[in-house]
Amino acid sequence: EADIYQTPRYLVIGTGKKITLECSQTMGHDKMYWYQQDPGMELHLIHYSYGVNSTEKGDLSSESTVSRIRTEHFPLTLESARPSHTSQYLCASRRQGRETQYFGPGTRLLVL
Amino acid sequence: QQQVKQSPQSLIVQKGGIPIINCAYENTAFDYFPWYQQFPGKGPALLIAIRPDVSEKKEGRFTISFNKSAKQFSLHIMDSQPGDSATYFCAASMLGSARQLTFGSGTQLTVLP
Repeated sequence: EADIYQTPRYLVIGTGKKITLECSQTMGHDKMYWYQQDPGMELHLIHYSYGVNSTEKGDLSSESTVSRIRTEHFPLTLESARPSHTSQYLCASRRQGRETQYFGPGTRLLVL
Repeated sequence: QQQVKQSPQSLIVQKGGIPIINCAYENTAFDYFPWYQQFPGKGPALLIAIRPDVSEKKEGRFTISFNKSAKQFSLHIMDSQPGDSATYFCAASMLGSARQLTFGSGTQLTVLP
């Protein structure tokens, strides 16, 4: 069982608001990822991190930004939420040298 | 550009049946092929994974068959149960790019009691 947490689990917010989705893991994994998943669809990578102070954009273009100041913490921020940002956001982590990614429960975001 | 194609989109079987989900990939640099199971409202959970140096891997009721020359792999669920009803995703990754996963489009499996 992976120890990776995401908060909030559900968020309904108005257009233009700034939001931060939290992701934390207690496994000491250095690699962390953010995926976006629309209902019934595949996951698309939007951000990843090799370690502290290292972040990269994924294949799917996203207006969100991420930071990695601590190994265990990888928050995602939307400066100005829009209805097009409505989706599920999934965080994952992986240990260096291992292929398996462990996923958190996700945050379902609805922007009105 | 979808690099991992998954079929079928949905599948309904009776309890005890053997659902088979198929995936095909294009990039021969992929060297790790996991299957994830996702229940509604949950994140994906690793079910079973295979590397291209073996043709089959079995864990409990779940079996991956891998055909390197055809660039295809499939998931078989033996003696399926209603509790197996979920969405299944195949994926692939390779060295580099932090081993990001490229996912298939998912298969919604329903096992009828």
